[in-house]
Amino acid sequence: SAVISQKPSRDICQRGTSLTIQCQVDSQVTMMFWYRQQPGQSLTLIATANQGSEATYESGFVIDKFPISRPNLTFSTLTVSNMSPEDSSIYLCSVEWTVNSYEQYFGPGTRLTVT
Amino acid sequence: AQKITQTQPGMFVQEKEAVTLDCTYDTSDPSYGLFWYKQPSSGEMIFLIYQGSYDQQNATEGRYSLNFQKARKSANLVISASQLGDSAMYFCAMRAFGNEKLTFGTGTRLTIIP
Repeated sequence: SAVISQKPSRDICQRGTSLTIQCQVDSQVTMMFWYRQQPGQSLTLIATANQGSEATYESGFVIDKFPISRPNLTFSTLTVSNMSPEDSSIYLCSVEWTVNSYEQYFGPGTRLTVT
Repeated sequence: AQKITQTQPGMFVQEKEAVTLDCTYDTSDPSYGLFWYKQPSSGEMIFLIYQGSYDQQNATEGRYSLNFQKARKSANLVISASQLGDSAMYFCAMRAFGNEKLTFGTGTRLTIIP
């Protein structure tokens, strides 16, 4: 399986500011994903990031609020822009590992609190 | 559209007993995959087990097995000989082949009692 790291692991931010979350994978992967988990809730897909193309956003998520970069096959960033308390969540990146099947592995997550 | 239903918001199980976490799904896709993840209080999502819709046998990974009943559209997770470290949230998820999006259930919080 892939080893995935995220930075920062947690942060407390003031409303109106932006935070960029980094996701690093130890192997080259085609598909990377960003999920949001609001407190006490399940995971919701924000967008799919492929290297060399624009990210594909799910309904309810827009590029201006959650810009994503995917400069190479092992790295991606998610920015949470103009934050409000409603953005307080765990943000997780994941990768699709197709060696054996269609397993998706997750990073450790970034716990964001907006005050 | 896909939907995952986990009807057990919380479960308490005695240590060393087996536990079954329920998951039912709904999809019109002919080919799909089913997943179980464990989320400890630290927040990370740990992949446990995967079952493809065309797999003939139920998936097993150590103490985890997936009881896949395709006709009933159920994919229950069975944990044998539960341990204190099994206490966590457990999420069932699915995706259709050809679509990378994972759809998650609402989760079951499992607490193992010593």
